[in-house]
Amino acid sequence: EIVLTQSPATLSLSPGERATLSCRASQSVSSYLAWYQQKPGQAPRLLIYDASNRATGIPARFSGSGSGTDFTLTISSLEPEDFAVYYCQQRSTGVTFGQGTRLEIK
Amino acid sequence: EVQLVESGGVVVQPGGSLRLSCAASGFTFDDYAMHWVRQAPGKGLEWVSLISWDGGSTYYADSVKGRFTISRDNSKNSLYLQMNSLRAEDTALYYCAKDTDNVSYYMDVWGKGTTVTVSS
Repeated sequence: EIVLTQSPATLSLSPGERATLSCRASQSVSSYLAWYQQKPGQAPRLLIYDASNRATGIPARFSGSGSGTDFTLTISSLEPEDFAVYYCQQRSTGVTFGQGTRLEIK
Repeated sequence: EVQLVESGGVVVQPGGSLRLSCAASGFTFDDYAMHWVRQAPGKGLEWVSLISWDGGSTYYADSVKGRFTISRDNSKNSLYLQMNSLRAEDTALYYCAKDTDNVSYYMDVWGKGTTVTVSS
């Protein structure tokens, strides 16, 4: 099973700041990686697929990069509604999710 | 409006069985693969199962293989998850999710979930 390790576990930032979230795979997943946002009491929302493609309706401040084993989700300038938990997910071999990064207001 | 509505979650004893349902609307159901994903209380996401658009292909997480069965009825725009030999570790919020294509393994529409509690 491919293990995805997200870091940091918690990220404390202020609105307007830039957020950089990391996802590392235990073996190469090529570009078969997605990012999801989950707010308390809500279902996850697809943000990015195939490492760098924004899903429909996702604001341009969200961007994804990386390939192989190292991936990054960047939020260029945090809005109040961006504070949530973020998960990465690979589909290269089966499907696994990372353990999540909680983005909290500083 | 694209919508997924899960139902069927209850409290069940260890070793028991349960069938979850998911009603889809607002999109052409039989154009897409469908998934079940679960989230234990206070924990992260765990993919459970996938079924192709026509039901011809099914895939399972190792943790549920041999105990859970995914199925669909395209005439009723419905997805199902038959859960047998339930264990305490199956306790979770179960989400139904739409694939972005036919077996892309990415999920772009999610329901609100239905809660399964396995406890004596």
